[in-house]
Amino acid sequence: DQQVKQNSPSLSVQEGRISILNCDYTNSMFDYFLWYKKYPAEGPTFLISISSIKDKNEDGRFTVFLNKSAKHLSLHIVPSQPGDSAVYFCAASARGGSEKLVFGKGTKLTVNP
Amino acid sequence: EPEVTQTPSHQVTQMGQEVILRCVPISNHLYFYWYRQILGQKVEFLVSFYNNEISEKSEIFDDQFSVERPDGSNFTLKIRSTKLEDSAMYFCASSELQSMNTEAFFGQGTRLTVV
Repeated sequence: DQQVKQNSPSLSVQEGRISILNCDYTNSMFDYFLWYKKYPAEGPTFLISISSIKDKNEDGRFTVFLNKSAKHLSLHIVPSQPGDSAVYFCAASARGGSEKLVFGKGTKLTVNP
Repeated sequence: EPEVTQTPSHQVTQMGQEVILRCVPISNHLYFYWYRQILGQKVEFLVSFYNNEISEKSEIFDDQFSVERPDGSNFTLKIRSTKLEDSAMYFCASSELQSMNTEAFFGQGTRLTVV
């Protein structure tokens, strides 16, 4: 039961270019979406979130876009830096907050110098 | 910067033994969670805890699992009789509120290996 899907297991981009990570969901009850970054041997680190009442949220180099009709969200990183290389998880909640987050499988981003 | 801390970082245990995984959530947070990630799979929700009781649990969180907040700072996950399939990374998380736009902060995880 894949309620949150990240269809690209990996993505490779050049330093300075844009990284676009995609996430699709099936549960129309989801109303809060988060992106987490994870380095090996560490826990997920919160990056950015968006509630279903918005279609865009921006924080520095990171922007999340939400298309509710398509049940799709994306994370844009501009410009990409080598330190951004990590696994990025999309997560969703139907509770408006952080309870019972449903995670995608993750996308491994590699930013090449 | 405040953080969620978990101990131990790695626990090896024999099948059938009890294990207790420990977590110290961020001090002003009120909601606590356990998640796990089996190698190669998704991060999965196990349980949420608020006001000294479980507020939600998944189907994974069966009678072998229990959680406790034994004092004002620790939050523990106990597995009564471990099975091989309990081998996973276990992540503790906490959040200040449970309302809209409140993110959960995760600890670095405990790798549990059941042999």
